Amino acid sequence: RKEVEQDPGPFNVPEGATVAFNCTYSNSASQSFFWYRQDCRKEPKLLMSVYSSGNEDGRFTAQLNRASQYISLLIRDSKLSDSATYLCVVSKAAGNKLTFGGGTRVLVKP
Amino acid sequence: ETGVTQSPTHLIKTRGQQVTLRCSSQSGHNTVSWYQQALGQGPQFIFQYYREEENGRGNFPPRFSGLQFPNYSSELNVNALELDDSALYLCASSPTGNAYNEQFFGPGTRLTVL
Repeated sequence: RKEVEQDPGPFNVPEGATVAFNCTYSNSASQSFFWYRQDCRKEPKLLMSVYSSGNEDGRFTAQLNRASQYISLLIRDSKLSDSATYLCVVSKAAGNKLTFGGGTRVLVKP
Repeated sequence: ETGVTQSPTHLIKTRGQQVTLRCSSQSGHNTVSWYQQALGQGPQFIFQYYREEENGRGNFPPRFSGLQFPNYSSELNVNALELDDSALYLCASSPTGNAYNEQFFGPGTRLTVL
């Protein structure tokens, strides 16, 4: 079983719609959680950190459920530019290695 | 831009050869991590360097080795290249005391092993 699992998609999303997807992690000692965005053949870029209380950044909302060990990302009012692969990332401690899921591909279409 | 640079951008090698990849961290960052990303997969942690010392290693064989220099730039060396080593190699830097462990990635080196 992989440490971080994601639905690979693709999620085909009409422009303006809302899309949400989860990832699950197996290590209960995980302390830090992130969503990274990766465009085709580019490096991953931090989209947002995920805090225990949940957090929002514009059209993006992230939630953490420690009891069930999953993290979610919701994108509202999807834009064509949101088309990318979204990587769920966990870490056991500050300064420690990042463990990535395989990514969820999102395609926003007109 | 993250300020993390990597060289070369692309590289083609043959099986059995050796390769050195380079990374310059963002100014003020003293921790560099290396990741391997095979096509269609998420990045996999290779190792991390903190102030010139290895500070954690993933499940990679000893033919993957690294260095960090006093200016915190870093090298990844891979000996006896295998076909499965073909991947995007990413380095990421982070500053000391980053409680949230945010890492900033360079553009990567795409290695093809024939």
